[in-house]
Amino acid sequence: NAGVTQTPKFRVLKTGQSMTLLCAQDMNHEYMYWYRQDPGMGLRLIHYSVGEGTTAKGEVPDGYNVSRLKKQNFLLGLESAAPSQTSVYFCASRIPQGQGTYEQYFGPGTRLTVT
Amino acid sequence: DQQVKQNSPSLSVQEGRISILNCDYTNSMFDYFLWYKKYPAEGPTFLISISSIKDKNEDGRFTVFLNKSAKHLSLHIVPSQPGDSAVYFCAASATGFQKLVFGTGTRLLVSP
Repeated sequence: NAGVTQTPKFRVLKTGQSMTLLCAQDMNHEYMYWYRQDPGMGLRLIHYSVGEGTTAKGEVPDGYNVSRLKKQNFLLGLESAAPSQTSVYFCASRIPQGQGTYEQYFGPGTRLTVT
Repeated sequence: DQQVKQNSPSLSVQEGRISILNCDYTNSMFDYFLWYKKYPAEGPTFLISISSIKDKNEDGRFTVFLNKSAKHLSLHIVPSQPGDSAVYFCAASATGFQKLVFGTGTRLLVSP
């Protein structure tokens, strides 16, 4: 099992460029999440999905879009990157509510710099 | 409005001593709490959790204590080892809540 994987690991964008971050999980988890981590801010939820074809906004959704076309994949898009989106992005997944645990499994992260 | 707070950004401890990391929460609906550990350039990894029906949960060197009346939890690491040096995040959730709310993290440095 690879667990949760993220592509790419690093990326540098110029302001206004677009890109898509890919998250994949092989644990058959229903729920998937995108977070950003900034110094002194902890992990903040951007968007999440509770199943294929569903998405919902988290704490800091502005400037991002997501899609969950397949259960195992969760894509995070930046349509027009801004320097404020320089961050480390983490994807996570978990089994559904009611199955005994709230534990989320995290990917290794994508470090994004917007110049 | 930060619902989960870790007021100590950093903590330094000597090897072999106890490390105590603290976390406070404001939302009384939270009934499940987790601690994650994060090394540089890696994703957070789950460490230990506790349900609000308990006031203590132990796993090897790691113990989490929950004080519901004070809305406070703490993670004890005994004895601390240099390999425990990492950032520790506290997180909380509630029954029916699909998300985790994370604190800002505490950086633990265990020196030999």
